[in-house]
Amino acid sequence: AQSVTQPDIHITVSEGASLELRCNYSYGATPYLFWYVQSPGQGLQLLLKYFSGDTLVQGIKGFEAEFKRSQSSFNLRKPSVHWSDAAEYFCAVVMNRDDKIIFGKGTRLHILP
Amino acid sequence: GAVVSQHPSRVICKSGTSVKIECRSLDFQATTMFWYRQFPKKSLMLMATSNEGSKATYEQGVEKDKFLINHASLTLSTLTVTSAHPEDSSFYICSARMGGTDTQYFGPGTRLTVL
Repeated sequence: AQSVTQPDIHITVSEGASLELRCNYSYGATPYLFWYVQSPGQGLQLLLKYFSGDTLVQGIKGFEAEFKRSQSSFNLRKPSVHWSDAAEYFCAVVMNRDDKIIFGKGTRLHILP
Repeated sequence: GAVVSQHPSRVICKSGTSVKIECRSLDFQATTMFWYRQFPKKSLMLMATSNEGSKATYEQGVEKDKFLINHASLTLSTLTVTSAHPEDSSFYICSARMGGTDTQYFGPGTRLTVL
């Protein structure tokens, strides 16, 4: 079955430290890949997306993600986190344009001062 | 660009009443809109997909007579929770997608509390 896995439910990093959030997918082919961020009580904001081409994609708020076909992964990174980055992060995939989006279970990011 | 709004942001109602939630795409035409439900500390659960001018397609286990979805125009979809009960209390989020694209843009969500 098609699935998206975010293995880390919670991650805690110190402000200014680097960050990597993991995402793996299980599909027969390369899907469309997304990262969304959700602040408490808010909707989802698109951070970045990958459809094709350069496997390192840049997003908003200083985030980037790298698609690795061999590992079926699309990990989100940020070189230096800010306290305002504390939120829930969702990895998501769409297999085909008309398919529904499949979300991972999310990773809650905590920032230590 | 690609802004989606929801109204209201919060609603409290009595058990047995109906509640309507609006989802609007403010600066683009959304041929497809989606409605999600999010439980505390959980991921989003897709409830239904609606295409403008067509009947909504509901996910398995979602009662279509309880969660009425209307997508009457390219910028507006509504979700009506009929005869709401406390177990319907949740965070409801809509998203919208432009025709010919693959990206969904999400609204800010509506917190429904049924007393």
